Amino acid sequence: GAVVSQHPSRVICKSGTSVKIECRSLDFQATTMFWYRQFPKQSLMLMATSNEGSKATYEQGVEKDKFLINHASLTLSTLTVTSAHPEDSSFYICSARGGDDYNEQFFGPGTRLTVL
Amino acid sequence: KNEVEQSPQNLTAQEGEFITINCSYSVGISALHWLQQHPGGGIVSLFMLSSGKKKHGRLIATINIQEKHSSLHITASHPRDSAVYICAAPWGNTGNQFYFGTGTSLTVIP
Repeated sequence: GAVVSQHPSRVICKSGTSVKIECRSLDFQATTMFWYRQFPKQSLMLMATSNEGSKATYEQGVEKDKFLINHASLTLSTLTVTSAHPEDSSFYICSARGGDDYNEQFFGPGTRLTVL
Repeated sequence: KNEVEQSPQNLTAQEGEFITINCSYSVGISALHWLQQHPGGGIVSLFMLSSGKKKHGRLIATINIQEKHSSLHITASHPRDSAVYICAAPWGNTGNQFYFGTGTSLTVIP
C-alpha cells in the first residue's frame, strides 16, 4: 500500500515557540492532504484539508493563524503550530489521498507534540 | 447518538481466537474504512470497502450497505494484533470528512 511519512515523530518544545510538522507521501502524488488532531482516548478530529497549490480549508473552531498549513507540492504538506501553548500538546496525524484509488486515504504515523 | 457505533469497546482474547468487531452507521455512505491504531499512535488503513467482503491475510472485512453494518474479523489472533480498531464513514460531497467510531481496544493474550 501507499506510504505516508511524518517528521518528526515526537517533539518537545517550550511555550511560545513554533513547531513545524512535515507530512510526505512517499510513493504517490497526494492531491489532497488532511490534518487531524487526537487527544488521549479520543477519536481523530479533522483540523483542515489542504489541496496542493491552494489555501487550506479549516474546520470550524480551528484557528488558521495558529495552525498554518502549507501544501506546496503533491508530496509534501506542512503544519506549523505557531506560538505553541501547553493546551496544543496532542497527537497530530496527517493523511493523504491519491494513488491508484483516489478515494482511499493513507495515514501517517503521527507526531506527538508536547509543549512545556 | 453517534453516527458511527462500534462494539465492543474493549475486547480481550486468547491467542488463536477468532475475533469479530462490529460497526453500525446511520449515515448514507458509499464506502467504509477500517483503521488500526497501535499503541504509540500510528494509524494504518486496513480496508476501504463499499460492498461484499475483502480479505488481507488474517483480516476479513464485510459490509452490508443496506443494513448499514460492517464487521472486521481476525482469524487466529496473535498478540501483535493488539491495537485499537476504528471504523470510519466518509460523508459530505467530497468525502473528506469522516465520522469516526469510538474504536475497539483489542488485547490478545499469549
